[in-house]
Amino acid sequence: QITLKQSGPTLVKPTQTLTVTCTFTGFSLTTPGVGVGWIRQPPGKALEWLALIYGDGNKRYRLSLESRLTITKDTSKNQVDLTMTDMGPVDTATYYCAITSGLPPIWGQGTLVTVSS
Amino acid sequence: DIVMTQSPDSLAVSLGERATINCKSSQTVFHTFNNKDNLAWYQQKAGQPPRLLIYWATIRESGVPDRFSGSGSGTDFTLTISSLQAEDVAVYFCQQSYSIPLTFGQGTKLEI
Repeated sequence: QITLKQSGPTLVKPTQTLTVTCTFTGFSLTTPGVGVGWIRQPPGKALEWLALIYGDGNKRYRLSLESRLTITKDTSKNQVDLTMTDMGPVDTATYYCAITSGLPPIWGQGTLVTVSS
Repeated sequence: DIVMTQSPDSLAVSLGERATINCKSSQTVFHTFNNKDNLAWYQQKAGQPPRLLIYWATIRESGVPDRFSGSGSGTDFTLTISSLQAEDVAVYFCQQSYSIPLTFGQGTKLEI
C-alpha cells in the first residue's frame, strides 16, 4: 500500500526558511520514471504545483518560485524534502506531497503552514 | 502551460441521479512514453486533502466505489458519478501530469 505523509513546522516567521518532509511507503524513488512532488493550496484558493524530483535525480521547479525552492530526496529513508526560503504571508498554505509520475498519483494528507510573526 | 478547464463550476444533482463533470485540456495529455492519458480526478471535501478517484483518465483507484468512472482521451475528459450519494458532496478537480508545470482544473462544486 502506498502512503505519503508530510511533516514540518506549522508556523514560520516572515523571512524564515521552511523545510517540509515527505515520508513515503509502498514504493521506491529509485525508478527513473517515478516522481514525487509538492503542491500547495492557500486557504480558499487554487492548487499550485511547486516542484518535483524523479527517481533518477532530475528536478523540476515552478518557474516563478525557482529561486526560492530546493527539492531533495533521501532514498535510504524514503523521504523527499522541500525547502522554501524567504517565507512571507502569501506562502501560508497547506503543503501536500504527492506521487507525480510513474505510479498512481496519490497525495499525502497535507501540512498547514502559517507564516506570521 | 497546459490550461485545464472544468465545466460546470458547480452542479446540483438529486440523490440517485447521475452527475457528469467535464475537463478540457488546452493540449493533449496523451504521453507516448507510457501510452496513457496523464489525467487524474480528485475529490476534496471541506477540510480534507484531495482523494484520488481516477488516474490515467479511466483507472479507478483501489477502494473507490464503482459508481465513479472516468472517460475520455486526448484533450476531453469526463468524470461520471452514476448514482449520487450524500457522501459525494465535495469539490472535484482534474489534474494533468503530462507536462511541467503540473496544472489543475479550477474545481467543480457538487451539491445535492
